[in-house]
Amino acid sequence: QKEVEQNSGPLSVPEGAIASLNCTYSDRVSQSFFWYRQYSGKSPELIMSIYSNGDKEDGRFTAQLNKASQYVSLLIRDSQPSDSATYLCAVYTGTASKLTFGTGTRLQVTL
Amino acid sequence: DVKVTQSSRYLVKRTGEKVFLECVQDMDHENMFWYRQDPGLGLRLIYFSYDVKMKEKGDIPEGYSVSREKKERFSLILESASTNQTSMYLCASISRTGVRHEQYFGPGTRLTVT
Repeated sequence: QKEVEQNSGPLSVPEGAIASLNCTYSDRVSQSFFWYRQYSGKSPELIMSIYSNGDKEDGRFTAQLNKASQYVSLLIRDSQPSDSATYLCAVYTGTASKLTFGTGTRLQVTL
Repeated sequence: DVKVTQSSRYLVKRTGEKVFLECVQDMDHENMFWYRQDPGLGLRLIYFSYDVKMKEKGDIPEGYSVSREKKERFSLILESASTNQTSMYLCASISRTGVRHEQYFGPGTRLTVT
């Protein structure tokens, strides 16, 4: 079983819709959770971090964490074509002192 | 603003050459990382460092070495470049504020070995 799993996609949503990206992780002692956006040919850009159960909102982005079920999700409201990118989920476990990344979900926002 | 810089955006080297990739961060971060990213394989950790002169192997250290002589600089060395080391190389460092920590990436170096 992979440590951090994401559906590779592509996930296709129409402009203006809500995009929902999901991620599950296997290590129960994971402490911190991150979403990165990566455009083709560019490096990953940190867009959300979440440390406790519940929702965290930042503009059009909402991160949701459920430690009991070991999943973290990212909602993008009012999706725009500029949101088309690969979204990487990352999990930090203190004992390993490093991030573990999923392989990413490719999002396509269509006009 | 956190800034992680890498010495080159694009690099072309020949098989057998010794290659140096440099990474610099200007925020006094202790932890620094080198990854490579290949289509279908995702991000893979090569080496990381907790402090000056400290290094730890990641998931795929074979064929690579690193150097951390100063806190702000973390170098990745390909001792004898091979074609299977053609990849995007990404450096990152971690910003810590209390229990919160966030990892930031440099712009990446696309290395081609011919």
